[in-house]
Amino acid sequence: TQLLEQSPQFLSIQEGENLTVYCNSSSVFSSLQWYRQEPGEGPVLLVTVVTGGEVKKLKRLTFQFGDARKDSSLHITAAQPGDTGLYLCAGLGGSNFGNEKLTFGTGTRLTIIP
Amino acid sequence: GAVVSQHPSRVICKSGTSVKIECRSLDFQATTMFWYRQFPKQSLMLMATSNEGSKATYEQGVEKDKFLINHASLTLSTLTVTSAHPEDSSFYICSAREGTGGKTQYFGPGTRLLVL
Repeated sequence: TQLLEQSPQFLSIQEGENLTVYCNSSSVFSSLQWYRQEPGEGPVLLVTVVTGGEVKKLKRLTFQFGDARKDSSLHITAAQPGDTGLYLCAGLGGSNFGNEKLTFGTGTRLTIIP
Repeated sequence: GAVVSQHPSRVICKSGTSVKIECRSLDFQATTMFWYRQFPKQSLMLMATSNEGSKATYEQGVEKDKFLINHASLTLSTLTVTSAHPEDSSFYICSAREGTGGKTQYFGPGTRLLVL
């Protein structure tokens, strides 16, 4: 059972457009991470957010952790073809899970059309 | 950054045979390693957590006798898929966490298993 729901599941947009991916759960997490995964490769960590309400920026990517530490969002500005990939959120230390485990979200497959 | 390797990167085997996948932390000591499975177009699902020198902890629904995990050293964990069947075909990914109390998991590149 997936307990971290991401939306949308699939997203295909034109180069230069903006987009937001959401990650929602009923559980509180001590921290939340975002990964990007290319086909046939392992996930690569993009960012970790720890504090409720925290906002982190990584070039054109903006990550926000919800005030209650149950949800997060990833916003990409002026998307580029290189942003194409599977984006995964993952919560650590959820109230319903063991503290050591990362629980991955359902994933958002993003395609940027040149 | 920390590097985790997996070997082999892909393997094809016949139904009924066993396959061993290695996960190594190359530049740090990993007291804890995690094994995930990822089916096509799906997310990563945790299979088990292994701590160096002790038995692995398996997630609900994962057969410990089918997926044997050994974590005999601080830099190596192995996953053996015993008596593999076509439904075991998947992408297996390991991750490793440093033993100093850090919470960052470093992921390997994954192993693609195809059982014929």
